[in-house]
Amino acid sequence: TQLLEQSPQFLSIQEGENLTVYCNSSSVFSSLQWYRQEPGEGPVLLVTVVTGGEVKKLKRLTFQFGDARKDSSLHITAAQPGDTGLYLCSQAGNMLTFGGGTRLMVKP
Amino acid sequence: NAGVTQTPKFQVLKTGQSMTLQCAQDMNHEYMSWYRQDPGMGLRLIHYSVGAGITDQGEVPNGYNVSRSTTEDFPLRLLSAAPSQTSVYFCASRRGGQGKKKTEAFFGQGTRLTVV
Repeated sequence: TQLLEQSPQFLSIQEGENLTVYCNSSSVFSSLQWYRQEPGEGPVLLVTVVTGGEVKKLKRLTFQFGDARKDSSLHITAAQPGDTGLYLCSQAGNMLTFGGGTRLMVKP
Repeated sequence: NAGVTQTPKFQVLKTGQSMTLQCAQDMNHEYMSWYRQDPGMGLRLIHYSVGAGITDQGEVPNGYNVSRSTTEDFPLRLLSAAPSQTSVYFCASRRGGQGKKKTEAFFGQGTRLTVV
């Protein structure tokens, strides 16, 4: 099983600040997904990245896949309280497995 | 469109009791999975299935059984509940086939289980 390490584990910031969270593996990803989970809910897909060096933008969220396809980052610009949640990276084959997550709290 | 439905939403068990967590999906997805999520943690894969009649172990399978007799249903059985199995359980489904590495997983609302 490919281990996914996410950092930081916890992040508490003020509204309007920027932040970056990371997902790393010792093995090459064939593809990587980012999910967001809000309290009391199941995770919801944000993005899938497939190609090394790929950059995808979703409003204020920017996702980057490393050139070697062993790491990925999620950057949030001007964070808002609605961004609060648990951010999970995952890799899928027959099994869909997840990293430990980054818990983000954005204070008004 | 219901998506992925889990029942019950909440359950309290005594140590040693058995129970079945239900999961059903109406999207005709081949792949289904069960996860547990402990407080402040990510999701750990318990068991998964790539189609009716096919199941396999995930990262933390001990103490749990699954079966997949139909495409729609994927129940999770706790054989003899232990306090260490107190957790929130999520079921997920997704399309399989050649796109399995890229397809979106859809999750149920979770079952919050407490074992006393």
